[in-house]
Amino acid sequence: NAGVTQTPKFQVLKTGQSMTLQCAQDMNHEYMSWYRQDPGMGLRLIHYSVGAGITDQGEVPNGYNVSRSTTEDFPLRLLSAAPSQTSVYFCATHFRDTNRYTFGSGTRLTVV
Amino acid sequence: AQSVAQPEDQVNVAEGNPLTVKCTYSVSGNPYLFWYVQYPNRGLQFLLKYITGDNLVKGSYGFEAEFNKSQTSFHLKKPSALVSDSALYFCALPGGVTFGTGTRLQVTL
Repeated sequence: NAGVTQTPKFQVLKTGQSMTLQCAQDMNHEYMSWYRQDPGMGLRLIHYSVGAGITDQGEVPNGYNVSRSTTEDFPLRLLSAAPSQTSVYFCATHFRDTNRYTFGSGTRLTVV
Repeated sequence: AQSVAQPEDQVNVAEGNPLTVKCTYSVSGNPYLFWYVQYPNRGLQFLLKYITGDNLVKGSYGFEAEFNKSQTSFHLKKPSALVSDSALYFCALPGGVTFGTGTRLQVTL
């Protein structure tokens, strides 16, 4: 039981490149979310999903896309990377009724 | 708007001493409150939560939190700090949107 798995752990992109951050969970949780963590700003919600086929925007969705074709996977796509997207990205899951989140170990992204 | 605030960026404690990491909240109605811990290069891990009932909530790793409605606070505490408790601590509201900015706890020998 791996919980929440994020890949890659580290990535360097050039400005304008695109990439997909992967998130997979084996907990059969309905809810999945993507966050970015920046120094002094805590966690900010990018996008979230309440189930397969359903996604919605969080606080800072610009420049990112998501899809949820299965319960297990929730990839985050950067369409055209910008230096402002340099951050640590976390995926998280939880059951609807618990609000107890389980986080992946993060992807550290640098855009140069 | 609902919010939580962590007034201290960093807390320094000597090993063996009690520790407190502060959190205040602004919530309409009865609050649900959470504490998470983040060790280096890891995601956040759930520590404890307050829903209703006892104002002192016990969680993982010997941590506890005291809910105080009159002071709108939910401070994280531990009677005797360990070096291994050094980490980043976040308080949070339910819903996955509202996290504090985090407090770095540094425990030294």
